[in-house]
Amino acid sequence: DGGITQSPKYLFRKEGQNVTLSCEQNLNHDAMYWYRQDPGQGLRLIYYSQIVNDFQKGDIAEGYSVSREKKESFPLTVTSAQKNPTAFYLCATARSKETQYFGPGTRLLVL
Amino acid sequence: EDQVTQSPEALRLQEGESSSLNCSYTVSGLRGLFWYRQDPGKGPEFLFTLYSAGEEKEKERLKATLTKKESFLHITAPKPEDSATYLCAVQAANDYKLSFGAGTTVTVRA
Repeated sequence: DGGITQSPKYLFRKEGQNVTLSCEQNLNHDAMYWYRQDPGQGLRLIYYSQIVNDFQKGDIAEGYSVSREKKESFPLTVTSAQKNPTAFYLCATARSKETQYFGPGTRLLVL
Repeated sequence: EDQVTQSPEALRLQEGESSSLNCSYTVSGLRGLFWYRQDPGKGPEFLFTLYSAGEEKEKERLKATLTKKESFLHITAPKPEDSATYLCAVQAANDYKLSFGAGTTVTVRA
C-alpha cells in the first residue's frame, strides 16, 4: 500500500550490532504491527501497538524492541540478543481490529 | 491456540485451468478470515475479508468462500499474472493479531 513505507529495503547486520527498521504510515491508522516471515512458515507477530505510547508483545518478541512515540511511526529494533535475525520483516497497519495492510518489507541479512 | 493450514503448498496450472486453494482453520471465535496475495520480495496485498460461514466474495478471476472450518480461494481461468503466493489468515474475536498459514504458491504457465 502506497501509504505505508518501510526502510531500508535491505539491511545488513554485523555480529553484536543492534539495527533499527523504519515503518511510517500516512493512513491515519491507530494500530501498527511488526511481523517476521521465514521461508516455508507463516508470518509471525513480533509486536503490535494499538495507540501511541502503548505496545504489546506478540508471539516472538524476544530479541526485539519497539517504540510508538508518534501515530505515524513504529520502528523496530533488532537487538544483539536475537540470534537468528535473518528474515523478511513486514510492517502492517489497521483501523483498530480491522483489515491489516502491509508495507513493502525489509530484508535483514547477517554479515 | 489459533491454527491455520493451507494446501497444497504449491500448485502449477496451465493458463485457463481453474483450481482451488484450501485454508483450514481452528480459532476460538472467528472475527474474520483474510486472503492476501504476495509476490516475491514484496509485502502481502489484501484481497478479501470473510466474516461468517456462507459468505462469498469475488474479484476478477478470484472467488473466496467460507465455512465454519475452512475457506476456499477459487481461481477461474487463471492467467500468468495470477502467479503468486496466496496467504490465508484468521483473526479471533477480541484479538488484534492475525494467525497466518504458510501459503500456497501458484504458478500459471502460458
